[in-house]
Amino acid sequence: NAGVMQNPRHLVRRRGQEARLRCSPMKGHSHVYWYRQLPEEGLKFMVYLQKENIIDESGMPKERFSAEFPKEGPSILRIQQVVRGDSAAYFCASSDQDLNTEAFFGQGTRLTVV
Amino acid sequence: GEDVEQSLFLSVREGDSSVINCTYTDSSSTYLYWYKQEPGAGLQLLTYIFSNMDMKQDQRLTVLLNKKDKHLSLRIADTQTGDSAIYFCAESMSTSYDKVIFGPGTSLSVIP
Repeated sequence: NAGVMQNPRHLVRRRGQEARLRCSPMKGHSHVYWYRQLPEEGLKFMVYLQKENIIDESGMPKERFSAEFPKEGPSILRIQQVVRGDSAAYFCASSDQDLNTEAFFGQGTRLTVV
Repeated sequence: GEDVEQSLFLSVREGDSSVINCTYTDSSSTYLYWYKQEPGAGLQLLTYIFSNMDMKQDQRLTVLLNKKDKHLSLRIADTQTGDSAIYFCAESMSTSYDKVIFGPGTSLSVIP
């Protein structure tokens, strides 16, 4: 049973380009969470999705960031027109319910904006 | 506001005990977690404690909670080189993962 898979592991983008981060949840999991970790800071919640629905996006920046979790395929975190401040590690976690269940984390995608 | 604080680095000798400390600000926190992140890996849930407990022990791991001081600690007995990792403290009012607040992580280095 493969764990949560994120790709790419490392992503380098020039300022102004788009970044697409992918997260395949564990098999059978329908809940996905995205977090961002800046250097020497804890993981900060960004968005919580269930299949085809955004449940909580209170941690998402208002502009340039979007997330989706389609019926088929991985969850995508999309950052348009990246800036240097977007450089961070982005972690995805999945669970099979939103309560009383452990969430399993992926290895993260380290985004570097040059 | 909600905040979780940890010291960033800890170094111990193999065989000694490690104690990783954490403070949190939200007195309504119900669940307190310790996660481990090995190099290149995702976060792995090590253990958790409910706020109505003072202590939880699981093999080499002991979690102590001082709710009055909002202080949580993780003690690793007989620390091994394989314990070298980043340890994240986290707190939440619920088990829903959009409500979990993470600390910055403590990087534990075990010296052979």
